[in-house]
Amino acid sequence: IQLTQSPSSLSASVGDRVTITCRASQGISSYLAWYQQKPGKAPKLLIYAASTLQSGVPSRFSGSGSGTAFTLTISSLQPEDFATYYCQQLNIYPLTFGGGTKVEIK
Amino acid sequence: QVQLQESGPGLVKPSGTLSLTCAVSGDSISSTNWWSWVRQAPNKGLEWIGEVYHSGSSRFNPSLKSRLTISIDKSKNQFSLKLTSVTAADTAVYYCARVHRIDLWLLFDYWGQGAPVTVSS
Repeated sequence: IQLTQSPSSLSASVGDRVTITCRASQGISSYLAWYQQKPGKAPKLLIYAASTLQSGVPSRFSGSGSGTAFTLTISSLQPEDFATYYCQQLNIYPLTFGGGTKVEIK
Repeated sequence: QVQLQESGPGLVKPSGTLSLTCAVSGDSISSTNWWSWVRQAPNKGLEWIGEVYHSGSSRFNPSLKSRLTISIDKSKNQFSLKLTSVTAADTAVYYCARVHRIDLWLLFDYWGQGAPVTVSS
C-alpha cells in the first residue's frame, strides 16, 4: 500500500493551524498512525487508529479520516513542533510509511 | 519505562553482513508485543524492515526478505537483525521499535535511538 503525503514541506508561523494530508492507495480502514521526527532523533508516536492521541502528546495534535484519506492537524503551532511528520499504515503487510512532511519556520 | 538500545558495527563492507542487536529493558521480549526494525537512508523517509514475535514467528518486507534474518534471544531479552550481501543502498540509520497492540490497533510506541550503519570498503 502506497501512502502519499502532502505537502512534502510547508512553512508556517508559531500559532498557525497546520494540516497535513496522507492518502492511501487502497482502503486501510483506520489503521493509520502519525509520527513526529526531529533531526537526529527517532520517530515519536503522536496518533494511532487514525484519531487516538498517544498518551502524553499535547491536545493541539489531532487526527482524522478513514479509508484512503487522513489528516493530521496541529491547531496552534508551537516552536517545538517544527519537525518532519510521517504517516504509517498498519492494515496490510508490508507496513509502509508516507514520504514525510517537513514543517519549517516561516 | 520501556527502553530499546541498538548496538552493532557502524561500518560494513560491500557484500558483507550487517548485524545489529536491540536490547530491551522495561518489558519482556516474551510479552505479547512484536519487535520490529525500521531504517532510514540519509535524508530519506522511513522503511519498515520486518518484525519478530517471541514464538519465533516473523514478517519481512518482501524487498529485503531474501537477505534478512530477524531473531530473538529470550535469555538476553534482545532481538537481532542480520542483512546479508549488503550494498551502499543499505547505508542507513537502523531503528528498533516495540510494536504494541491495543484492542484492534497496532502502534510503534517505543523506539531505540538509532544505529547509523555505513556500507563502504
